[in-house]
Amino acid sequence: DVKVTQSSRYLVKRTGEKVFLECVQDMDHENMFWYRQDPGLGLRLIYFSYDVKMKEKGDIPEGYSVSREKKERFSLILESASTNQTSMYLCASKRDRVTEAFFGQGTRLTVV
Amino acid sequence: RKEVEQDPGPFNVPEGATVAFNCTYSNSASQSFFWYRQDCRKEPKLLMSVYSSGNEDGRFTAQLNRASQYISLLIRDSKLSDSATYLCVVNGENNDMRFGAGTRLTVKP
Repeated sequence: DVKVTQSSRYLVKRTGEKVFLECVQDMDHENMFWYRQDPGLGLRLIYFSYDVKMKEKGDIPEGYSVSREKKERFSLILESASTNQTSMYLCASKRDRVTEAFFGQGTRLTVV
Repeated sequence: RKEVEQDPGPFNVPEGATVAFNCTYSNSASQSFFWYRQDCRKEPKLLMSVYSSGNEDGRFTAQLNRASQYISLLIRDSKLSDSATYLCVVNGENNDMRFGAGTRLTVKP
């Protein structure tokens, strides 16, 4: 059974903190993605990676960075958390362009 | 302009109705297309891929018009269990994967 695991379901952080969101997949997928989902805005692409150590900016990369040191793990980093980064964060992985993407259960981050 | 545009709805329909969702995309080099379904407080899951020739899966029919850069999803004989948000997804040439904002469907008895 395929699995994408995000390290936390709920997280509360203070403004200015450095925040790490971890995502691990067990399907040997090349491609991994980070999105944030906000009401009325849908899923917006933050960063994606098509291979180890490779990363590409999505539509809203400002305030975020990513790390992919191993194929199975894709980390999202909020360098200095701000209240406007309060959101649901979703990680996904897929093998290639034409196949299904699998999602983690999401991390609801609140920045206070 | 957003890369993937969807009618946000909401659509409220009675059981048994036929409902159609539309989606447009801006990048003509887009490679592959999908519809995902997202239930409340859950992660998105694949509903069906969309092929150039059109494809059907039971009560669901998906169509793609590359010339007009337009994707559609038709649901026939709606069931209560079809209530969800339907997300249009477009895969670009760089392996990026972009979502529409989603269309919320509520099927009522």
